[in-house]
Amino acid sequence: GDSVTQMEGPVTLSEEAFLTINCTYTATGYPSLFWYVQYPGEGLQLLLKATKADDKGSNKGFEATYRKETTSFHLEKGSVQVSDSAVYFCALSPAAGNKLTFGGGTRVLVKP
Amino acid sequence: EAGVAQSPRYKIIEKRQSVAFWCNPISGHATLYWYQQILGQGPKLLIQFQNNGVVDDSQLPKDRFSAERLKGVDSTLKIQPAKLEDSAVYLCASSVEQGATYEQYFGPGTRLTVT
Repeated sequence: GDSVTQMEGPVTLSEEAFLTINCTYTATGYPSLFWYVQYPGEGLQLLLKATKADDKGSNKGFEATYRKETTSFHLEKGSVQVSDSAVYFCALSPAAGNKLTFGGGTRVLVKP
Repeated sequence: EAGVAQSPRYKIIEKRQSVAFWCNPISGHATLYWYQQILGQGPKLLIQFQNNGVVDDSQLPKDRFSAERLKGVDSTLKIQPAKLEDSAVYLCASSVEQGATYEQYFGPGTRLTVT
């Protein structure tokens, strides 16, 4: 079945540092890929998405590129802020259907 | 536009008791989902409704969990009897098709503690 694997946290960074969170997936066909973010005390929010190979999703300074050849969708941000402290989830939905399969989440802590 | 509403936000019960959670999706969203998120893990789909019909309940422990979506709007998820391992956050989401994808919008969740 479909699965998503992402790097375990916590990831601790200083403000303005570069952030990468690795995400790889297993799925048949061409799934859609997502990054969701969960800020402390809040619900899950969609951060960005990509629906086909080589698509780049971007939002709030975060980017991720859909790499079919490596089955990856790594999340990057060039300069993090304290407000980026959150748990980040990589997820996929199958080519036919809209059920989401999530990775285990990566907690990011940005220190001033 | 109002978001997905859930209640209660927190619930503490003893094992073998029953509990029910309520979800009101975003107006006009035909698809509704219930997810279970155990501490330190990603959400896991329990059940998916399309209007008032079940699309996928393959991961719902049907011996103790039940869900309904009467009239294709609000939904209720019930656990009876609860076990310690049911302690988790129960998330409700709804979605609408946007181009090639269905974007899911999540509620704040109900945190269940079973003692």
